[in-house]
Amino acid sequence: GENVEQHPSTLSVQEGDSAVIKCTYSDSASNYFPWYKQELGKGPQLIIDIRSNVGEKKDQRIAVTLNKTAKHFSLHITETQPEDSAVYFCAASNWLNTGNQFYFGTGTSLTVIP
Amino acid sequence: NAGVTQTPKFRILKIGQSMTLQCTQDMNHNYMYWYRQDPGMGLKLIYYSVGAGITDKGEVPNGYNVSRSTTEDFPLRLELAAPSQTSVYFCASTPALAGAHLYNEQFFGPGTRLTVL
Repeated sequence: GENVEQHPSTLSVQEGDSAVIKCTYSDSASNYFPWYKQELGKGPQLIIDIRSNVGEKKDQRIAVTLNKTAKHFSLHITETQPEDSAVYFCAASNWLNTGNQFYFGTGTSLTVIP
Repeated sequence: NAGVTQTPKFRILKIGQSMTLQCTQDMNHNYMYWYRQDPGMGLKLIYYSVGAGITDKGEVPNGYNVSRSTTEDFPLRLELAAPSQTSVYFCASTPALAGAHLYNEQFFGPGTRLTVL
């Protein structure tokens, strides 16, 4: 099955700086890569996603890049704010498979220091 | 819409007890999932369902059972609770594939924190 690795496990940045979280995946058939933000005591919430036919996607201060050849994708947060502090998870999925199982990374705890 | 709801929010079980974690979604989603989240780990898939009457095992199904009698409900059953099942459990759902939409957002419930002593 798919194996998703995520780095770093913890990340601290000064407010206003950028944060980058990286993930690698093993199954070349994976074609959908969402990123989730999980705040304390809550369920994960989708913040951005990218499909395998796209190399980059941006939504205001967050962006995701995908390198299919190297099998890695990254989350970029610019101009970080204290409310960006949370745990971020990457995931990989193959929508052509029955059931569309999602495989998650182990998470990155991001702290934005005011 | 309430989205995905889970009950209870918290539960403490003794070893060997059984319980059912409830999950309901009101978005008419076909796919539903149960995950467990352990500290420092990502979410691990326990069971999933692609529609009423159809369920299948995920990565870590041992010790759990599920049923899907309706589109809305996907309960998770623990028959003989063990300390290894101490975790936070999340239920999630996604719409079915529809036309050109080859991907769909996964919506999560707020979680159930289970402790087995």
